[in-house]
Amino acid sequence: EVQLVESGGGLVQPGGSLRLSCAASGFTFSNYWMHWVRQAPGKGLVWVSRINIDGSGTIYADSVQGRFSISRDNAKSTLFLHMNSLRVEDTAVYYCATLASIDYWGQGIVVTVSS
Amino acid sequence: QAVVTQEPSLTVSPGGTVTLTCGSSTGAVTSGHYPYWLQQRPGQAPRTLIYDTSNKYSWTPARFSGSLLGGKAALTLSGAQPEDEAEYYCLLSYSDTRRVFGGGTKLTVL
Repeated sequence: EVQLVESGGGLVQPGGSLRLSCAASGFTFSNYWMHWVRQAPGKGLVWVSRINIDGSGTIYADSVQGRFSISRDNAKSTLFLHMNSLRVEDTAVYYCATLASIDYWGQGIVVTVSS
Repeated sequence: QAVVTQEPSLTVSPGGTVTLTCGSSTGAVTSGHYPYWLQQRPGQAPRTLIYDTSNKYSWTPARFSGSLLGGKAALTLSGAQPEDEAEYYCLLSYSDTRRVFGGGTKLTVL
């Protein structure tokens, strides 16, 4: 069974940091580019970041450029999102996803940025 | 960063046909934008229905189809069912490999 399981979310103060993880199983993780997508409460989906198969290529939405960093550990089939200088507007459910000819999504993890 | 536009809301009668569209602020949407269409029901994670303009997944109901129409990507639902009531998002890929979601279309089956 294919699974993407996010972890690492929670409540953090503005200016703080968090590291999200996405553990993959049931498919060959190292064969796929991976993405992070977020959704603020009551709002639409927003693409956040993408990493290529070996981690050598990354790209970010303007809204998180310079504050977030995506990485992966193919040996552990795990995707990461390092989030620094968090803002109230980063509050959202964060999903990891393949966004490819195979379509796998995690269940989402809540990140709340509030004082 | 490009802006992707969708109809905020549409209504279709049960059994009817409706077309949702997806435009780009940079110009015409082409196959090179690799349009995706995703469905999200309340309280659930999204799932993709269509990838690369018109390709379906094994779980995509046959009544959904994707195309390019008049410079936009389009998702056509033929024979709407009550369970099709959901939010639909398009996703476009740009030359720098960034992706951008549209704002979503709330589809009501009524």
